Amino acid sequence: GAGVSQSPSNKVTEKGKDVELRCDPISGHTALYWYRQSLGQGLEFLIYFQGNSAPDKSGLPSDRFSAERTGGSVSTLTIQRTQQEDSAVYLCASSLGLAVPSYEQYFGPGTRLTVT
Amino acid sequence: LAKTTQPISMDSYEGQEVNITCSHNNIATNDYITWYQQFPSQGPRFIIQGYKTKVTNEVASLFIPADRKSSTLSLPRVSLSDTAVYYCLVGDQTGANNLFFGTGTRLTVIP
Repeated sequence: GAGVSQSPSNKVTEKGKDVELRCDPISGHTALYWYRQSLGQGLEFLIYFQGNSAPDKSGLPSDRFSAERTGGSVSTLTIQRTQQEDSAVYLCASSLGLAVPSYEQYFGPGTRLTVT
Repeated sequence: LAKTTQPISMDSYEGQEVNITCSHNNIATNDYITWYQQFPSQGPRFIIQGYKTKVTNEVASLFIPADRKSSTLSLPRVSLSDTAVYYCLVGDQTGANNLFFGTGTRLTVIP
């Protein structure tokens, strides 16, 4: 079946503009995660959603970052007033659930964001 | 939060067995150990997961000693295509504990 998809694959924006990144998880997966990865660095957790529960926003770096997940499926990560330090690859992942043992996370190809 | 420590990089020749060790001294009773692999310009991919002793699948083996304070990912007879970054995660995923990938171990396989 289809994997996790993300759009756009690449986004170049000017400093101060808002951007929206989209993630389509695997059908039936109740958990959805956002990470970002700067060049040559590891993954930085941003936020995750589990079913209809309130999201865990503990990883969001500032109040310029927000995310929604509509109908328990598609998710949008919004970055307002983008800064150059926001430049990174934004990765989305989904999993069957969020329980012990840990469910395997399936990652999308990512969105490469460049803020000029 | 169980923190993990891995070597930053490793080199290996083709055909050799590679062992990457991860330290997790503060692992909790309910925590599982999970390894992911990431190729350039791709998202990470699940390799293997375990709780104790040994787990083996078609890709790798995971060795976990009795105290569970460390784990070793073993890749048999590596090829050039195994060049990637390998991440060790520890957590029970009921919170954010299993969502910290760290910087991983960059494995380079040499012809």
